[in-house]
Amino acid sequence: GAVVSQHPSWVICKSGTSVKIECRSLDFQATTMFWYRQFPKQSLMLMATSNEGSKATYEQGVEKDKFLINHASLTLSTLTVTSAHPEDSSFYICSARDMGKGGSSIEQFFGPGTRLTVL
Amino acid sequence: GQNIDQPTEMTATEGAIVQINCTYQTSGFNGLFWYQQHAGEAPTFLSYNVLDGLEEKGRFSSFLSRSKGYSYLLLKELQMKDSASYLCAVLDSNYQLIWGAGTKLIIKP
Repeated sequence: GAVVSQHPSWVICKSGTSVKIECRSLDFQATTMFWYRQFPKQSLMLMATSNEGSKATYEQGVEKDKFLINHASLTLSTLTVTSAHPEDSSFYICSARDMGKGGSSIEQFFGPGTRLTVL
Repeated sequence: GQNIDQPTEMTATEGAIVQINCTYQTSGFNGLFWYQQHAGEAPTFLSYNVLDGLEEKGRFSSFLSRSKGYSYLLLKELQMKDSASYLCAVLDSNYQLIWGAGTKLIIKP
């Protein structure tokens, strides 16, 4: 099956620093990747849709200047949390669709997630 | 607005059967997913329904009624490892996944 990796799996940083999270589709091409955030005991919240070669589409209430998304290739999208603060501490999960299946794949494959703790 | 409702928490006994319900109101419908999520891990795919009826896959089955905006996930022969959150998600007219808050399933011996 399709595999999505994320790196790092967990990170602890000081307030004010920036953190970059990578999301890779290992055995398929993904023109579209999705970034989610999940707080404890809550459901997934879509932050933005990352499109290869173009700007990301952010959901309402998500600051595009704080959460920088770059989708430079068909297998890699990055999320950079700039000037992180304790309230940004969360579980960040990416997902991707396998566009190789006739471009009509419905299923999203999830990465293992990145737990960010900002001190 | 778009809305997905599922119970917050359910408890069941090992070896028994449990049904987790999900009702939805979305702008358009392109299918409904069920995902399993263990604590601290990403969701894993369980099922996808786009037509009415029951889809069976081993111990897990998923049912959909589009006219009622209703789905359920049926888990048989429950095992301790089935303790997890179960997320219902609908693909809307823009092919965007709308997520329910998840149902935490507790399995007791």
